[in-house]
Amino acid sequence: SQTIHQWPATLVQPVGSPLSLECTVEGTSNPNLYWYRQAAGRGLQLLFYSVGIGQISSEVPQNLSASRPQDRQFILSSKKLLLSDSGFYLCAWREPSTGQLHEKLFFGSGTQLSVL
Amino acid sequence: GESVGLHLPTLSVQEGDNSIINCAYSNSASDYFIWYKQESGKGPQFIIDIRSNMDKRQGQRVTVLLNKTVKHLSLQIAATQPGDSAVYFCAEKGGNTPLVFGKGTRLSVIA
Repeated sequence: SQTIHQWPATLVQPVGSPLSLECTVEGTSNPNLYWYRQAAGRGLQLLFYSVGIGQISSEVPQNLSASRPQDRQFILSSKKLLLSDSGFYLCAWREPSTGQLHEKLFFGSGTQLSVL
Repeated sequence: GESVGLHLPTLSVQEGDNSIINCAYSNSASDYFIWYKQESGKGPQFIIDIRSNMDKRQGQRVTVLLNKTVKHLSLQIAATQPGDSAVYFCAEKGGNTPLVFGKGTRLSVIA
């Protein structure tokens, strides 16, 4: 069966420091991969998605970037964190053979990022 | 702009009763809808999805109803259990656009 791993679970970083969050998926090939952010008490905001290695689509302009160096690895990065980057970051994947892009996503356990 | 919203931010239900969580959407082009359950500190967990060519779909103890005429989506949970306590999100999309998530409804099950 497929599993998604996301780490770390919690992270406290100072303003201006770099960020690297990693997500890996097991048990599938060529998944669609996603990064979402969830602010407290709000819905999920799509940040980036990828349909293949090296293919990144950005949904919102921001201080973050994403990369997909391997088929089942998705990385969220920042060179210099801002206070406003605090939030709950979620990685998600989907099986591209089922339905259309952005349908039936499966989420990881999330990373709670606090920028101080 | 078009958005997905919720009728009630919180819902308290007695254990064993049925729960109904509602969601309104405004995008008439939406053709896919999905429900997630999110427990505190965890990622959203897929519950059930439905396409616009259907009015009803059932899963294990859950039913999703879609009323396209009034742009309304609901999630029914039968025989609600303490483990059902969580925040429930609806989301919708049209064509190849990304999912648009609502802000969520918190379900509290009273033992």
